[in-house]
Amino acid sequence: DAGVIQSPRHEVTEMGQEVTLRCKPISGHNSLFWYRQTMMRGLELLIYFNNNVPIDDSGMPEDRFSAKMPNASFSTLKIQPSEPRDSAVYFCASSLRTANTGELFFGEGSRLTVL
Amino acid sequence: AQSVTQLGSHVSVSEGALVLLRCNYSSSVPPYLFWYVQYPNQGLQLLLKYTTGATLVKGINGFEAEFKKSETSFHLTKPSAHMSDAAEYFCAVTSINDMRFGAGTRLTVKP
Repeated sequence: DAGVIQSPRHEVTEMGQEVTLRCKPISGHNSLFWYRQTMMRGLELLIYFNNNVPIDDSGMPEDRFSAKMPNASFSTLKIQPSEPRDSAVYFCASSLRTANTGELFFGEGSRLTVL
Repeated sequence: AQSVTQLGSHVSVSEGALVLLRCNYSSSVPPYLFWYVQYPNQGLQLLLKYTTGATLVKGINGFEAEFKKSETSFHLTKPSAHMSDAAEYFCAVTSINDMRFGAGTRLTVKP
């Protein structure tokens, strides 16, 4: 299996622009997670899907952030409008079962810089 | 709510020395505990996990961890550090809906 695939690997944009990050989970996995990693705050869970349905989005910072999972093989995380404080590495991870029983498989991350 | 605390944001050891990375957890239910490793510019990779059964868990690259309920700890050890072990290590605990990570410990291995 190719593993969790994220794109783009790097994104540099200007404040106010829309950013879309993409994730393809491992085939057969039924849970998908979006995390944000910064030096100051570490790894933060943004949102978690199970069987394509958002289960917990309490970690989404504000209304500027939205995530979708239209099918089992694709998810997006959108930031509109972007701000410099959104600069971080965004990780997507997938799991075969719900979080409390299965390990997470991480993608290589999308490094976002907002100028 | 579940949480983990990693003691020490940076640990430095000499090559060949014992590696000990500390993790304490808080959980209202029997926890599932994990250690992940992150190399520069990469995602996290699973080192080992404890779910049920034997409290001493062996993982990849010679690492192991022991679940101690009485101490609410899940410390990671490796008898002899190698230069390739230099990375950031994260302890994690699961709850009903998500996996919560500690702040991470950066391991430096000196020649």
